[in-house]
Amino acid sequence: GDSVTQMEGPVTLSEEAFLTINCTYTATGYPSLFWYVQYPGEGLQLLLKATKADDKGSNKGFEATYRKETTSFHLEKGSVQVSDSAVYFCALSAYSGAGSYQLTFGKGTKLSVIP
Amino acid sequence: ETGVTQSPTHLIKTRGQQVTLRCSSQSGHNTVSWYQQALGQGPQFIFQYYREEENGRGNFPPRFSGLQFPNYSSELNVNALELDDSALYLCASSSFDSNEQFFGPGTRLTVL
Repeated sequence: GDSVTQMEGPVTLSEEAFLTINCTYTATGYPSLFWYVQYPGEGLQLLLKATKADDKGSNKGFEATYRKETTSFHLEKGSVQVSDSAVYFCALSAYSGAGSYQLTFGKGTKLSVIP
Repeated sequence: ETGVTQSPTHLIKTRGQQVTLRCSSQSGHNTVSWYQQALGQGPQFIFQYYREEENGRGNFPPRFSGLQFPNYSSELNVNALELDDSALYLCASSSFDSNEQFFGPGTRLTVL
């Protein structure tokens, strides 16, 4: 079945440091790929997405490129802020028939940014 | 535009009881999906509803069931609660045939 593997956390960075969170996937077909963010006590917010190979998703300074050859979708940000502290989830969306899409998530990576 | 809402926020039940969780979809969305997120884990797909019928299901037993209403809101019902059912239950809405889902804040269920 489909699966997503992301780097284990927690990750602790100083403010303005460079962030990379690795994500690789296994899927049949051509999934869309997503990064979601979860702030403490809240639900998931869509951060960015890419729907086909070589697409780059970007939002709020975060970027990720859909790499079909390495089945990866690594999240990057050039300069993190304290407000970026959250749990980040990589996910893929696979079509399961009759108009139905289901998301498969990684286990999440907790990021803490210290001043 | 109203986002996805869920109720209640928190719930405490005892083993063997039954529980109903509720979700209102985002304006303009007709499809609702439910996910279970255990502590420290990623969300796991339970099922999806479209046109008041189940339209896809993950690896969850039949004691997890759902409903969707004509206004596209939805309920998740869990019978014979077990300790392992303690989790954050997330509802997500989307347009039919869209792969982009928008999540509510979740309901935290604790089973004692």
